[in-house]
Amino acid sequence: DVKVTQSSRYLVKRTGEKVFLECVQDMDHENMFWYRQDPGLGLRLIYFSYDVKMKEKGDIPEGYSVSREKKERFSLILESASTNQTSMYLCASSEQGLYGYTFGSGTRLTVV
Amino acid sequence: GESVGLHLPTLSVQEGDNSIINCAYSNSASDYFIWYKQESGKGPQFIIDIRSNMDKRQGQRVTVLLNKTVKHLSLQIAATQPGDSAVYFCAENAEGGGYSTLTFGKGTMLLVSP
Repeated sequence: DVKVTQSSRYLVKRTGEKVFLECVQDMDHENMFWYRQDPGLGLRLIYFSYDVKMKEKGDIPEGYSVSREKKERFSLILESASTNQTSMYLCASSEQGLYGYTFGSGTRLTVV
Repeated sequence: GESVGLHLPTLSVQEGDNSIINCAYSNSASDYFIWYKQESGKGPQFIIDIRSNMDKRQGQRVTVLLNKTVKHLSLQIAATQPGDSAVYFCAENAEGGGYSTLTFGKGTMLLVSP
């Protein structure tokens, strides 16, 4: 069964900490995505990547960065966590072209 | 997760009924559409997709209808079961900067009573 695995289901971090959210896919997909999901706002795209070492900003990149050193791994980095980054973070991957995304189970991050 | 359903429109049905969930999309240039299901505490799960050269596509107990004239997408679930209770999202592809990504609707919560 194909999978997108997010390393943590729940995280609690302090304001100002640097936070790493890890995502690994085993489907050899070229494309990977990070979304955040908030009540009333739906899923919003933070960053995406269409190839190794390549990244593109999504709709809400401020306060975040990403790293894709290997095809199967896409990391989301919160440079200095703030309380307004408390959210559910969802990683996804897809093949090139018009195909649906496969999502991970999500990481619920709380910044205190 | 548990809070995804807050602020969402809700459709309540009885077990065995047929359910219809609607979605209005924004971009007349979109040519690929998907429905996702998200259960509490889980990530979205792909249900069915449709390309703009079709107006109907059927899966197992689900049918997606696409009306490009009015930019409307619907998901029909036959013989709805309690296990169908979840938040349902539509998504459309969006082109920008030479790349295609998916833009998601806010979702509809489906509640199925036994």
